[in-house]
Amino acid sequence: DVKVTQSSRYLVKRTGEKVFLECVQDMDHENMFWYRQDPGLGLRLIYFSYDVKMKEKGDIPEGYSVSREKKERFSLILESASTNQTSMYLCASSPRGEQYFGPGTRLTVT
Amino acid sequence: GENVEQHPSTLSVQEGDSAVIKCTYSDSASNYFPWYKQELGKRPQLIIDIRSNVGEKKDQRIAVTLNKTAKHFSLHITETQPEDSAVYFCAASKASGTYKYIFGTGTRLKVLA
Repeated sequence: DVKVTQSSRYLVKRTGEKVFLECVQDMDHENMFWYRQDPGLGLRLIYFSYDVKMKEKGDIPEGYSVSREKKERFSLILESASTNQTSMYLCASSPRGEQYFGPGTRLTVT
Repeated sequence: GENVEQHPSTLSVQEGDSAVIKCTYSDSASNYFPWYKQELGKRPQLIIDIRSNVGEKKDQRIAVTLNKTAKHFSLHITETQPEDSAVYFCAASKASGTYKYIFGTGTRLKVLA
């Protein structure tokens, strides 16, 4: 079974804090993705990575950055958290085709 | 930019009836179309997918149809059961490289017992 884990299920941070969300997969997948999920907006792609140290912007990259130093780990960084970044964050990994999702991190920025 | 429209946003059906969810995509180069089911509080999981060289695919009570000319595809669930209640997402992708998805906005399906 493919296993994708995320560092926290729930996180509360203050405006202006730097926030790290981590995702780990155990299936040696090349591709990893970060999405945010908001009611009525579906899943929107923030960033993705197709190899170690390689990354590309998705549809809504503003206010976010990512890091992929090891194949199994893909980190999402909020440089200075703002209230409009309160959301559910989902990580996914993929060989080619099907994407396997992590359980999600519900981030609240106050 | 690339876009996937999904309708309806909510759908209520009686148990045993059929449910149909429709998606339209904008990028004619898309050739891989997965459907994900997300139960309350859980992660999205793939339930069926179709590639553009196929017009229809079935898996027990679930089927997906694709019309490449019109750039739309649909999910059909027959003999619905309460456990089918969930949010369903369609997506479109190019079957090369990273298989980056463009997701639809989701359909909340309620199956009434």
